[in-house]
Amino acid sequence: KAGVTQTPRYLIKTRGQQVTLSCSPISGHRSVSWYQQTPGQGLQFLFEYFSETQRNKGNFPGRFSGRQFSNSRSEMNVSTLELGDSALYLCASSPPAGGYEQYFGPGTRLTVT
Amino acid sequence: AQTVTQSQPEMSVQEAETVTLSCTYDTSESNYYLFWYKQPPSRQMILVIRQEAYKQQNATENRFSVNFQKAAKSFSLKISDSQLGDTAMYFCAFTVNTGTASKLTFGTGTRLQVTL
Repeated sequence: KAGVTQTPRYLIKTRGQQVTLSCSPISGHRSVSWYQQTPGQGLQFLFEYFSETQRNKGNFPGRFSGRQFSNSRSEMNVSTLELGDSALYLCASSPPAGGYEQYFGPGTRLTVT
Repeated sequence: AQTVTQSQPEMSVQEAETVTLSCTYDTSESNYYLFWYKQPPSRQMILVIRQEAYKQQNATENRFSVNFQKAAKSFSLKISDSQLGDTAMYFCAFTVNTGTASKLTFGTGTRLQVTL
């Protein structure tokens, strides 16, 4: 099976702009989670989607939003970008039953200038 | 709230030797899962090993094994016969058994360097 894919891999944006990141889960996986990774804050949970519904949300401002499509692909959007949003954004998918393990994509490196 | 603590920011081990990475966690839950993830310099996060809290037997995956001490809330990772490819950041992670997969809480990571 193909792994989790994320596009784009690298992105440079200017402060104030908005950005959309995309994630395609492993085939058959319906749960998709997003994490932000920074040197200062480490790995932080953003949100989780299952069957097109947000099931869990981390402690991030409303500028961070996401959605999931019927084919389980997910997008996250960050509006009004700030310098502090520069990070590696990781997407992970989970199998439909048991395990609770999450399988991660390669990430999108976002740089805000 | 759940917290995960990794007290060793960096460790070094020689090839073929054994190394143990420490992890402690804090939770009031009784049913949960613990994981070790590896993030090599290429950045792809890889699942190394998983432990269900209700299982007393320590999980093992080839050269990787854990020492799970539920009462002490400790979950250490032992890497035997270390290889150069084991060089990576290692993250301990925790999730509560809610019936469905949900968020992972990560530790701050341990950077492991395997040397010749």
